[in-house]
Amino acid sequence: DQQVKQNSPSLSVQEGRISILNCDYTNSMFDYFLWYKKYPAEGPTFLISISSIKDKNEDGRFTVFLNKSAKHLSLHIVPSQPGDSAVYFCAASARSGGGADGLTFGKGTHLIIQP
Amino acid sequence: GAGVSQSPSNKVTEKGKDVELRCDPISGHTALYWYRQSLGQGLEFLIYFQGNSAPDKSGLPSDRFSAERTGGSVSTLTIQRTQQEDSAVYLCASSLRHKNRDTIYFGEGSWLTVV
Repeated sequence: DQQVKQNSPSLSVQEGRISILNCDYTNSMFDYFLWYKKYPAEGPTFLISISSIKDKNEDGRFTVFLNKSAKHLSLHIVPSQPGDSAVYFCAASARSGGGADGLTFGKGTHLIIQP
Repeated sequence: GAGVSQSPSNKVTEKGKDVELRCDPISGHTALYWYRQSLGQGLEFLIYFQGNSAPDKSGLPSDRFSAERTGGSVSTLTIQRTQQEDSAVYLCASSLRHKNRDTIYFGEGSWLTVV
């Protein structure tokens, strides 16, 4: 039973446009959400996070939106750049969990930025 | 080094053999985690270490998997009697503390292929 779902295995976006990556979760106890970015042959790197007390967090070109009632979050990248081509993992953590052992990851979405 | 270091980066082994994967966390990080990513799957938590506390082994898939962390620094993940389904990239990560909001830094992974 997948608690964190990224239903799009891949997404192709033209350079300069907005990339929107989606993530759905089922566990209502999740209260902290993160996005990780992973290039081939490299480990994931932390990108941005959001706490359930917020509905938006912005960091440069990256914005994460959280809709708690829909149990949905999304990552927006504006404008998309070729270097953004990577696999993006959504992760969630519950109140009772602490640290990375409490993180549940989605399967990832492969973002491809077309020149 | 500045980041999490893992070795070997690639390992091909015959079914039934034992393998050891090594992880050097970031200096000063007290929390160390092992994850694995199988083809088409998200990141799967395996085990974590926090300081001198007993490790949380709740994510280990079978008793063929074990890990130790010597001196609160280097960790070794051992897989005994490897099976083909063990083929995956094994990622080590560390964080300053074992806290939700602490950024987790991943190594580049050890790619294991069992033939």
